[in-house]
Amino acid sequence: GAVVSQHPSRVICKSGTSVKIECRSLDFQATTMFWYRQFPKKSLMLMATSNEGSKATYEQGVEKDKFLINHASLTLSTLTVTSAHPEDSSFYICSAPGQGRFDGYTFGSGTRLTVV
Amino acid sequence: GENVEQHPSTLSVQEGDSAVIKCTYSDSASNYFPWYKQELGKGPQLIIDIRSNVGEKKDQRIAVTLNKTAKHFSLHITETQPEDSAVYFCAASTGSARQLTFGSGTQLTVLP
Repeated sequence: GAVVSQHPSRVICKSGTSVKIECRSLDFQATTMFWYRQFPKKSLMLMATSNEGSKATYEQGVEKDKFLINHASLTLSTLTVTSAHPEDSSFYICSAPGQGRFDGYTFGSGTRLTVV
Repeated sequence: GENVEQHPSTLSVQEGDSAVIKCTYSDSASNYFPWYKQELGKGPQLIIDIRSNVGEKKDQRIAVTLNKTAKHFSLHITETQPEDSAVYFCAASTGSARQLTFGSGTQLTVLP
């Protein structure tokens, strides 16, 4: 089945630095990638939708200058957390819809970001 | 936009018993309803999904029912096992390449 590879799985960074999270579709082309954020014991909240070759669409309240999303190719979407602060610590998950009309969604394994 | 409500937030059952988790949605245009299992520190794993053109779907011990009129759908797990313990999320979408809206999650604990 479709696989989305997400890296890194865990990252610890210092306040003020930037962190890049990558999601690659391994055996299919992902023209769209959804990026979610999940706080402990909470649900997944959609942050933004990236589309290959165009600007990402951000949900209300998400700072586009802090969370830079790039979808440079049909198999790679990246989320860069810029000038990270401790409140950015969270679990970030990407997801790509299936290729067919009735295919589901494939999720990455998630990235645990800790900003110290 | 879509709003998905999920109940209960926590559920404890004895091994071998059944577990039922319920969700309601608000957008009548939603036509895809997946259920995900999430273990600690991992991404969600699809366990079953249902499209709006069917009312029930079953896969071994797991089943999902959909009532389009009432706009609710439910997950049924029979003969629960300790390895079923996890957080379960329902979700809804209006179609392919559309965003998923998630429920708030249910922490299921299966007691041995």
